[in-house]
Amino acid sequence: NAGVMQNPRHLVRRRGQEARLRCSPMKGHSHVYWYRQLPEEGLKFMVYLQKENIIDESGMPKERFSAEFPKEGPSILRIQQVVRGDSAAYFCASSPGGNSNQPQHFGDGTRLSIL
Amino acid sequence: AQSVSQHNHHVILSEAASLELGCNYSYGGTVNLFWYVQYPGQHLQLLLKYFSGDPLVKGIKGFEAEFIKSKFSFNLRKPSVQWSDTAEYFCAVSRTGSASKIIFGSGTRLSIRP
Repeated sequence: NAGVMQNPRHLVRRRGQEARLRCSPMKGHSHVYWYRQLPEEGLKFMVYLQKENIIDESGMPKERFSAEFPKEGPSILRIQQVVRGDSAAYFCASSPGGNSNQPQHFGDGTRLSIL
Repeated sequence: AQSVSQHNHHVILSEAASLELGCNYSYGGTVNLFWYVQYPGQHLQLLLKYFSGDPLVKGIKGFEAEFIKSKFSFNLRKPSVQWSDTAEYFCAVSRTGSASKIIFGSGTRLSIRP
């Protein structure tokens, strides 16, 4: 009974490199959400995707960040040219459908550290 | 603007003490309300949720929360805490209807002295 799977659990990058974070939703879930948690802060919404579509990207930084959820395979959050301020925990959540009554289930997160 | 405020950043209690964590929200329209818990090193887990109906909601592990619409509040309570309740607790809100983002509070760290 696999939950939301995120990998890697920990990712270390140097400034200027690219970071790719992966998220496989729970079986049967077609909606994926990405959140970022900075140290000592709550989770902040980044982007909401369905298969092959971005539904809401109001929380995504305008530059360097992108997300996709292809027809096959996991959702990917991509950060280009990383900077120190990108260091955070990135959490993915999934839900089965388009009704807000269906709670989001969270993965264990990816902790990104920028050297 | 949509926001969730959790009044206590860090709460320290002894075992068997009663717990109440405050949460207020600012959100236009009807809302769904949640409390999530994050145990050390683990992912967020849903403690309880309010969608509609009885404003007193019971969740897992003896937790409950009361939605007071007039006060825009959704405080979390537990009559007698245990050491294993040590965790970070997040209040959250989303709009009703179609699926959407969740707005989280900044969290309350709960430490229980054995």
